[in-house]
Amino acid sequence: EPEVTQTPSHQVTQMGQEVILRCVPISNHLYFYWYRQILGQKVEFLVSFYNNEISEKSEIFDDQFSVERPDGSNFTLKIRSTKLEDSAMYFCASSDPSSSTYEQYFGPGTRLTVT
Amino acid sequence: AQKVTQAQTEISVVEKEDVTLDCVYETRDTTYYLFWYKQPPSGELVFLIRRNSFDEQNEISGRYSWNFQKSTSSFNFTITASQVVDSAVYFCALSEEVAGRRALTFGSGTRLQVQP
Repeated sequence: EPEVTQTPSHQVTQMGQEVILRCVPISNHLYFYWYRQILGQKVEFLVSFYNNEISEKSEIFDDQFSVERPDGSNFTLKIRSTKLEDSAMYFCASSDPSSSTYEQYFGPGTRLTVT
Repeated sequence: AQKVTQAQTEISVVEKEDVTLDCVYETRDTTYYLFWYKQPPSGELVFLIRRNSFDEQNEISGRYSWNFQKSTSSFNFTITASQVVDSAVYFCALSEEVAGRRALTFGSGTRLQVQP
C-alpha cells in the first residue's frame, strides 16, 4: 500500500539554524500539507499546497516558514531561523484532489528538537 | 470558525470494557467532513474513519462504531470490548468544503489507557 514518507525521523538543531524537513507524498496525490504537534498537544495545521502554490496557511505559518516542491516527488518545509518553540513533531500529509472523501494520509512525522 | 472539542482528556478502562470517546464540533458550513485518527505511542497518525455531513448513518467496523448526530453536532466513537492495543491518543478532526479548503482542524485528543 502506498504511503507518505518523511525524513529525517528526528532532527536536532541549534536555535537560529535553518532546517529543512522532507516528505515524499503518495505518488498520485496532488494536495500536500504540513501539520505540527507540540509534545502533548493537539495537531495543528500549518499549510496546504496545490498546483505549485500555497492554497491555505494558518497563523502559525509566518515568514520563518516556507514550502517547496523542488521536484516531482519531494515536498519540503523550511524553517529559516529556528526558535525553541519550533520544537515539535512535524507531520506531512497528502490527498487525492479527485477524491470526494477529503481523506489525508499522514507520514510518520519528523521530530524536531531545537536546543 | 470551525472548532472541535474533545472534553475527555484521559480515560482509563479495564480490558473488555466498552468505552465511548466524545467529539463535539462547530462549523458554519453545511458541507463538512469528520474524521477520527488514532495516535499510538509510536507517534504516527492512523486514519480510522471519515464521515460526510450529509450522511448521518452510523457505522460499525469490527469493535469500532461511530455515532454521528448533526442535531447535537457530535461524532462519538465507541470501542467495544477494549483491548490493551487500543491504548492510544484518539483525535477527532473536521474539514470544511469552503472554496476548496481542506485543512483539518483537530480536537485536543483523548488519551485512552486500557489496563489488562
